[in-house]
Amino acid sequence: DAGITQSPRHKVTETGTPVTLRCHQTENHRYMYWYRQDPGHGLRLIHYSYGVKDTDKGEVSDGYSVSRSKTEDFLLTLESATSSQTSVYFCAISPQEGTNGYTFGSGTRLTVV
Amino acid sequence: GESVGLHLPTLSVQEGDNSIINCAYSNSASDYFIWYKQESGKGPQFIIDIRSNMDKRQGQRVTVLLNKTVKHLSLQIAATQPGDSAVYFCAATGGGNKLTFGTGTQLKVEL
Repeated sequence: DAGITQSPRHKVTETGTPVTLRCHQTENHRYMYWYRQDPGHGLRLIHYSYGVKDTDKGEVSDGYSVSRSKTEDFLLTLESATSSQTSVYFCAISPQEGTNGYTFGSGTRLTVV
Repeated sequence: GESVGLHLPTLSVQEGDNSIINCAYSNSASDYFIWYKQESGKGPQFIIDIRSNMDKRQGQRVTVLLNKTVKHLSLQIAATQPGDSAVYFCAATGGGNKLTFGTGTQLKVEL
């Protein structure tokens, strides 16, 4: 996806270990989002950012933290991974809220064993 | 809060037919709506959007219809092609202008 990359694309980790997913954008968009996608639930917002060092919680934020030290990077950390966090994680970016759609990355498939 | 739902989890159509995918939203204050397409193993891709001051918008082979009275949104795909096979999501702005997404309809195109 042009202008937004996620890494890693796939990861298998053990329960209780910390995991960090990275989202990098080259569009200089102000807003960045982390979603998880699970069957039957659609896309659910974990955390979002509205600027450097400005972040807030979404609807499913428990067990996750984020950081944004630069405009282009938004990190999602699972402090101590659990099996319920096995999911596909998508990062999205937007220049403005309420009037623009989001551009999504290709996703990270995370499996916690 | 806002909830967005699609009416059918799966829709099967014949190649060349028109497809109609429906979506309902709950927040009467929602003023911006989007349809996304998601192919297997990929992230959602923007198809078309519409604002609440419109009731219809057309793109290339796609049309979005908005009925604010019943809080209903539909996506029409003309002359459906095998490449249209994917999951389609609608999204609507909710609290704080953030998008809330529906669960998706799997469109299957039969040859």
